[in-house]
Amino acid sequence: GQQVMQIPQYQHVQEGEDFTTYCNSSTTLSNIQWYKQRPGGHPVFLIQLVKSGEVKKQKRLTFQFGEAKKNSSLHITATQTTDVGTYFCAGRSFGNEKLTFGTGTRLTIIP
Amino acid sequence: GAGVSQTPSNKVTEKGKYVELRCDPISGHTALYWYRQSLGQGPEFLIYFQGTGAADDSGLPNDRFFAVRPEGSVSTLKIQRTERGDSAVYLCASSGSGQFYGYTFGSGTRLTVV
Repeated sequence: GQQVMQIPQYQHVQEGEDFTTYCNSSTTLSNIQWYKQRPGGHPVFLIQLVKSGEVKKQKRLTFQFGEAKKNSSLHITATQTTDVGTYFCAGRSFGNEKLTFGTGTRLTIIP
Repeated sequence: GAGVSQTPSNKVTEKGKYVELRCDPISGHTALYWYRQSLGQGPEFLIYFQGTGAADDSGLPNDRFFAVRPEGSVSTLKIQRTERGDSAVYLCASSGSGQFYGYTFGSGTRLTVV
C-alpha cells in the first residue's frame, strides 16, 4: 500500500532559525496536503498542493510539490515559538479520497 | 455545528469490553473519516463514509471494529472485545465531497484499555 515518509522525525531549532521538513510518497499523488498538530491538539489543515512543481506561500511558510508529484516540502523562515508542533504531510492517490498521512516532523523551538 | 464534535473526549475501559465512539461532523459535509493516532505517530486511516455508506473500510484492523453513519450525519465507531493494543486517540474528520478538500478534525477520543 501507499507509504508516506517524512524527514527529519525531530527538529530542534533556535528561535529565528529556519526549518524544513521533507515528505516522500511511495506512489505518485493526485494532491498533497499539510497539517499542523500542536502538542495535545488535533491536526489542523494548512494547505493543499495539486499541480506538479507548485509552490505556495503563507506568510513565513513555503510549501512545494515536486515535479514528479511524489515529494513535497515545507519551509518555515525565521521560526517563532508559535510554530511549535508536529507537521504532517498527507497524500491522496488518484481516484481515492482518503488521505495517507506521513510520519510527521516534530518541531521544538529553543527561545 | 461549527466544528467536528467527538464524544466522549476520554474513555477508559476494561479489556474485553465494548465501546462506542461518536462523531458529529460539520453540517453539510458529506465525507466523514475515522483515523487512529498512537503516540508519536501520524494518523492511521480506518474508514471513510460518503453519505450513509462506507466507501472505503480498508483500514479497519479486524472484525472487532465496525462503524456506521445511518443518516449521513453522525457516525459511531464501535469496538468489540477491546484489547490493550486498541488504546490510542481516535480522530474523526469531515470534509466536502471530492479530492480537493482539506479535512476538519475533531478533538478526538482518547481510548485507554486497561
